[in-house]
Amino acid sequence: ETGVTQSPTHLIKTRGQQVTLRCSSQSGHNTVSWYQQALGQGPQFIFQYYREEENGRGNFPPRFSGLQFPNYSSELNVNALELDDSALYLCASSLSYSSYGYTFGSGTRLTVV
Amino acid sequence: GENVEQHPSTLSVQEGDSAVIKCTYSDSASNYFPWYKQELGKRPQLIIDIRSNVGEKKDQRIAVTLNKTAKHFSLHITETQPEDSAVYFCASPNQAGTALIFGKGTTLSVSS
Repeated sequence: ETGVTQSPTHLIKTRGQQVTLRCSSQSGHNTVSWYQQALGQGPQFIFQYYREEENGRGNFPPRFSGLQFPNYSSELNVNALELDDSALYLCASSLSYSSYGYTFGSGTRLTVV
Repeated sequence: GENVEQHPSTLSVQEGDSAVIKCTYSDSASNYFPWYKQELGKRPQLIIDIRSNVGEKKDQRIAVTLNKTAKHFSLHITETQPEDSAVYFCASPNQAGTALIFGKGTTLSVSS
């Protein structure tokens, strides 16, 4: 059984740039959820993809967008980066769109300068 | 709105003591309450969870209790060890059941 993998592990970008983060879901899981974890805070829900469709979104602006592919891997894209976007981005995969049984990846640490 | 409040924000105990972390939630329809442990620089890992049809669940040194009437749930760690030092997060589902709302975390420090 393979776990959830994310890439890259660390990234430094300049304000205004765009970034793409990637997540491979655990074998057998068809749902990927993305979270942003600012320093010293709990993870905050960005959005969820279930069977290649967005299936719920948190309080994040449209410049945060995503994709899910037929193999259930996923991308998170952030346009027009702001300093406050600096955070750990976590993806979690699960067997269905419910929030039960999340398996988190190790995350991508994004720094915007 | 949907909210999960967690306290204390920091907790320091001596090795062998017990530690208790408490959370309250706002959505009375919530039916799933997981606890995650996050060590420095690592991913959150699920350590225990409870569904709303039970009041308590134990797994070795950790236990979770749920009071649905008061909308409280708590994590209990007995016989704490230095390797229990980490940040602990409680969570409950959003109304759609598609995401978890996390508390702000409790930094537990166990000194030997």
